[in-house]
Amino acid sequence: DQQVKQNSPSLSVQEGRISILNCDYTNSMFDYFLWYKKYPAEGPTFLISISSIKDKNEDGRFTVFLNKSAKHLSLHIVPSQPGDSAVYFCAAGSGGSNYKLTFGKGTLLTVNP
Amino acid sequence: DTGVSQDPRHKITKRGQNVTFRCDPISEHNRLYWYRQTLGQGPEFLTYFQNEAQLEKSRLLSDRFSAERPKGSFSTLEIQRTEQGDSAMYLCASSPMGGGGSYTFGSGTRLTVV
Repeated sequence: DQQVKQNSPSLSVQEGRISILNCDYTNSMFDYFLWYKKYPAEGPTFLISISSIKDKNEDGRFTVFLNKSAKHLSLHIVPSQPGDSAVYFCAAGSGGSNYKLTFGKGTLLTVNP
Repeated sequence: DTGVSQDPRHKITKRGQNVTFRCDPISEHNRLYWYRQTLGQGPEFLTYFQNEAQLEKSRLLSDRFSAERPKGSFSTLEIQRTEQGDSAMYLCASSPMGGGGSYTFGSGTRLTVV
């Protein structure tokens, strides 16, 4: 039973364009959501998060949108840069569960120069 | 502080052998987590420590797995009688109290059981 789903294994965009990565979840108990970025041979790096009381959070080129009714979140990267090429993991958790995270399978983003 | 350190980076072992991994978290972080990642999957939660207390273990953590965090500093994860299905990347992460889920991950230990 996959509680966090990233249905696109890969995404390719041109440099300077917008990258949109999507994530769906099924567990209504999740109350915060995060995106992590992972380069080969490194551990995941925290990128941005959003609490369930918000519907948008922005940090520089990165914006996360949360649609609770649809149980859907998305990460927008604009403008995309070649250095953004990495695997992006969506993760969700509940403050009541000691911040244990449930991760999606990841989406490989390739930004072409 | 150099972040979360994991040792070794790679481990190849024969089936049936025991292995132990070490994680050194960021010194001021009192929460420490172990996750496992297999090919094509996201990280899966294994266990969690707050200071030296192991507060939660996943059902993924069979009785062949044991984790410790003596004195609330570094942590070790031991796998006894390794099986080929144990081959994975073992990730350690730490966070401060109140840090939510914004962990700092180590680079992981890649275990290959042959």
